[in-house]
Amino acid sequence: AQSVTQPDIHITVSEGASLELRCNYSYGATPYLFWYVQSPGQGLQLLLKYFSGDTLVQGIKGFEAEFKRSQSSFNLRKPSVHWSDAAEYFCAVVPSMNRDDKIIFGKGTRLHILP
Amino acid sequence: DTGVSQDPRHKITKRGQNVTFRCDPISEHNRLYWYRQTLGQGPEFLTYFQNEAQLEKSRLLSDRFSAERPKGSFSTLEIQRTEQGDSAMYLCASSSGTGITTNEKLFFGSGTQLSVL
Repeated sequence: AQSVTQPDIHITVSEGASLELRCNYSYGATPYLFWYVQSPGQGLQLLLKYFSGDTLVQGIKGFEAEFKRSQSSFNLRKPSVHWSDAAEYFCAVVPSMNRDDKIIFGKGTRLHILP
Repeated sequence: DTGVSQDPRHKITKRGQNVTFRCDPISEHNRLYWYRQTLGQGPEFLTYFQNEAQLEKSRLLSDRFSAERPKGSFSTLEIQRTEQGDSAMYLCASSSGTGITTNEKLFFGSGTQLSVL
């Protein structure tokens, strides 16, 4: 079945430590890939997206993600997290065969930051 | 503020009552989407509009749900005879006509949190 999977429901890291949030997708063709962040009481904010080209994508707030076709993955990384990064992170896809830009979201990973 | 605006931010209602939410998209964005997000889940697509035309409805959108975008600007989402299972965050998003498969982005509102008692 077509899906986007975020295997970690919760992740806890110390402030200043590095971060990697995992995302795997299951689609026949490479979909369009996104990472969104949602802070409490806030709307979803786009961090970065991958459509084609360079497989290492730079986003806002110091985040980056790497597309690996062989692993059907699009993991989000940050070299040094800040307390303000505590939020819920969603990996999302638009299957490339879609024309209506309908985004399909993973279930999310909640990031906790230890002081 | 020129972002996507949703009203109200919170709604508490009793089971069986009707509720209506409003979404004001970014000006001149001709695509408007509704999503529902329950606790511990990612947002799930409900429906979307291209201008005033409703182009797709998810199976999640039962007969009790209706969405309109009468003039191609703001949209309303109505839930009739609410049930406790309708408790969720209802998110609205908008984008330009060329969609997110270019360099455009999908802009989300802060959502309406519905609690059905």
